[in-house]
Amino acid sequence: GDSVTQTEGQVALSEEDFLTIHCNYSASGYPALFWYVQYPGEGPQFLFRASRDKEKGSSRGFEATYDKGTTSFHLRKASVQESDSAVYYCALNYNQGKLIFGQGTKLSIKP
Amino acid sequence: AQTIHQWPVAEIKAVGSPLSLGCTIKGKSSPNLYWYWQATGGTLQQLFYSITVGQVESVVQLNLSASRPKDDQFILSTEKLLLSHSGFYLCAWSFQNTEVFFGKGTRLTVV
Repeated sequence: GDSVTQTEGQVALSEEDFLTIHCNYSASGYPALFWYVQYPGEGPQFLFRASRDKEKGSSRGFEATYDKGTTSFHLRKASVQESDSAVYYCALNYNQGKLIFGQGTKLSIKP
Repeated sequence: AQTIHQWPVAEIKAVGSPLSLGCTIKGKSSPNLYWYWQATGGTLQQLFYSITVGQVESVVQLNLSASRPKDDQFILSTEKLLLSHSGFYLCAWSFQNTEVFFGKGTRLTVV
């Protein structure tokens, strides 16, 4: 079946560091891919999506590029801030808005 | 603008007692509606989805049920709670296969 794998369970960085969170998917065709961010005690917030090969999604300084060849949608940010500390989820849409989420990556930023 | 309201914000319930959680979506006609569950520190698991009034499809069997009595309302319930039902319940919506938007969630503790 369809699946999403996030390699890093936790990432610890300092402010202004470069961030990469790896996301790989397994699915047929071209599923829509998403990144969500979740702060403690809140529901996930939609960051951005991409639906076609080589399409780049971006929001709030975060970006990811849909890569059909490597089945990846890695999240990147050039310079993280303490306020970026949260849990980040990669997800794919397999049918009518039904999402499969990765395990999540907890990002901690030291000031 | 669309708004999603979940109730209650938190519940502490005894094992074996009944449960009813609800959500209302305003500002969007005929949305797709979803219930998700999240264990503490865990990822998001889709439970139910509905594309129209009166129709609900189960994704995962957790001794829970869902109903959509109105276009803008989605209810999650069970007659007998288990300890394993504890967690964070999230209602969400999407429109025409676009991104999914989440409510603020209900924290359920079963004791």
